[in-house]
Amino acid sequence: EDQVTQSPEALRLQEGESSSLNCSYTVSGLRGLFWYRQDPGKGPEFLFTLYSAGEEKEKERLKATLTKKESFLHITAPKPEDSATYLCAVQASDYKLSFGAGTTVTVRA
Amino acid sequence: DSGVTQTPKHLITATGQRVTLRCSPRSGDLSVYWYQQSLDQGLQFLIQYYNGEERAKGNILERFSAQQFPDLHSELNLSSLELGDSALYFCASSVGTGTLSGANVLTFGAGSRLTVL
Repeated sequence: EDQVTQSPEALRLQEGESSSLNCSYTVSGLRGLFWYRQDPGKGPEFLFTLYSAGEEKEKERLKATLTKKESFLHITAPKPEDSATYLCAVQASDYKLSFGAGTTVTVRA
Repeated sequence: DSGVTQTPKHLITATGQRVTLRCSPRSGDLSVYWYQQSLDQGLQFLIQYYNGEERAKGNILERFSAQQFPDLHSELNLSSLELGDSALYFCASSVGTGTLSGANVLTFGAGSRLTVL
């Protein structure tokens, strides 16, 4: 069974304090790894898709990287508006998308 | 606004009842997915439809059923409701079935919050 584990569960950062979120996965035939952002009471919002080990993608203060067993979401110099739950998901060979439990990031001004 | 419309936003009902959640996908998207999100669990995949046909099934209970209509909107029916069914139910849509790069990206609606008392 496909498994996605995210750590830490929660992360409290000071504004400007860079950090990384981890997503480790076990999947039969990875077709893609996805990062989403979810604000309280809202639906997840797409951030990145990574398809192969070594791939990196950036968007503003966020950078996602992928290895054969895990992905990292790096937040550089975060701002309070980066506070959200970040979800990792993997798409397996059967095209099903499985989500991790998420990392809730709180950035204090 | 993501372009995926879900109704109702909030629903309160009693155990044993039946409810229907509705989803209109983003314009041009043919696939619709249903997910359940409760406090103690993450997003759990329920079911996927593509152009009216069921494509994939996740951990969907037998008391739950869904369908996608010719106009591509979808409905999720939840029956014999139990307290544990209280959750946020999300609909998402994508261009295709996930076989093509870019067609895998899901766009989520704002969700329907179901409370079973």
